Amino acid sequence: DGGITQSPKYLFRKEGQNVTLSCEQNLNHDAMYWYRQDPGQGLRLIYYSQIVNDFQKGDIAEGYSVSREKKESFPLTVTSAQKNPTAFYLCASSPPGAGFTDTQYFGPGTRLTVL
Amino acid sequence: GQNIDQPTEMTATEGAIVQINCTYQTSGFNGLFWYQQHAGEAPTFLSYNVLDGLEEKGRFSSFLSRSKGYSYLLLKELQMKDSASYLCAVSLNYGGSQGNLIFGKGTKLSVKP
Repeated sequence: DGGITQSPKYLFRKEGQNVTLSCEQNLNHDAMYWYRQDPGQGLRLIYYSQIVNDFQKGDIAEGYSVSREKKESFPLTVTSAQKNPTAFYLCASSPPGAGFTDTQYFGPGTRLTVL
Repeated sequence: GQNIDQPTEMTATEGAIVQINCTYQTSGFNGLFWYQQHAGEAPTFLSYNVLDGLEEKGRFSSFLSRSKGYSYLLLKELQMKDSASYLCAVSLNYGGSQGNLIFGKGTKLSVKP
């Protein structure tokens, strides 16, 4: 059963704590992405990775960190430096294609609430 | 700068047709995606337009005019399950952002009986 999994679905943390969100895919996709979604806002790109051991900052990378040690996994750490971390976090992946125009497929998301 | 505009909310009646518009101004353009997102769930892929014209896929169709920076998603024979947000996203084609998507804020469609 191929797909993208994110865990947990709901996550609660105290202010000042770092937290790591999991994203795993078994679609053999090269590219992976992390987005943040807030009410009334479009999805905003946090980080992306087009190959293993390489990743790039997106539009709102401050206060976040990632790693890409395996093709299947792209965990996102929300650090205490992120000023407003409460949001819905979505991971996506896409296969490589000419011009990188392939469709991005999304995981189910993790709703993070910082208390 | 990058800008994508779509209406915030729309309401339509079950069985009717609705058109959701999207206009964009972006630095570089590969193509335009439409995604459907039910509340609290992940976006799911609906369509991808690269060339001008209409792409039809069952009850859903998507149109693109590159020269006008304009797209629309057409939903026919509306069903209650079509109540969702519809996201317009542009695929970029420059530099290190090759293939990255810029999303609009989404259009929340409510289908009434």
